[in-house]
Amino acid sequence: DTGVSQDPRHKITKRGQNVTFRCDPISEHNRLYWYRQTLGQGPEFLTYFQNEAQLEKSRLLSDRFSAERPKGSFSTLEIQRTEQGDSAMYLCASSFLQANYGYTFGSGTRLTVV
Amino acid sequence: DQQVKQNSPSLSVQEGRISILNCDYTNSMFDYFLWYKKYPAEGPTFLISISSIKDKNEDGRFTVFLNKSAKHLSLHIVPSQPGDSAVYFCAAPGGAGNMLTFGGGTRLMVKP
Repeated sequence: DTGVSQDPRHKITKRGQNVTFRCDPISEHNRLYWYRQTLGQGPEFLTYFQNEAQLEKSRLLSDRFSAERPKGSFSTLEIQRTEQGDSAMYLCASSFLQANYGYTFGSGTRLTVV
Repeated sequence: DQQVKQNSPSLSVQEGRISILNCDYTNSMFDYFLWYKKYPAEGPTFLISISSIKDKNEDGRFTVFLNKSAKHLSLHIVPSQPGDSAVYFCAAPGGAGNMLTFGGGTRLMVKP
């Protein structure tokens, strides 16, 4: 297992378009988190899954954002009708429930909305 | 409200000297803290952690100190190396799913 994979690494899109990102966690990890990081800031929590259940969503996750984790494996994060303010690095992390605090992050998807 | 703060956005240190990165927190419920290192275009990688039952944890060149009464922790890197140049984040798990709350980061530049 090579860690947490995110795809694509970079995405440039026009305002108003929809985009989807994918995260493949470490296979035995049952928790998966999405974070957003803007320039000069630390990562901010967006949402998390335990297996296939989405258990918490941040107020940052507007109704234009949706995340799924079918079958408790990979996850997707979709942003509809993108806005320039959505430009950020989107980070995925996974962890094993019984190993508290053992988070592993992916390399992130850099989104630029033009 | 920023529950975890890193008040120094950047720090420049000469190679071989000590780097001290600081972090303050406001939530007294936090009982575990982690430091992450982040290179450009990469995700954060775990560096070192400390439980609130300790006041110090050491791993090679990296030592983290925790002062619970002051709600303050610091990361010491001795000796600093040019490869340590990166952004460092302190973080605390808590709340739903033990999500991490991050500070804003400190960019460390180690000059040869």
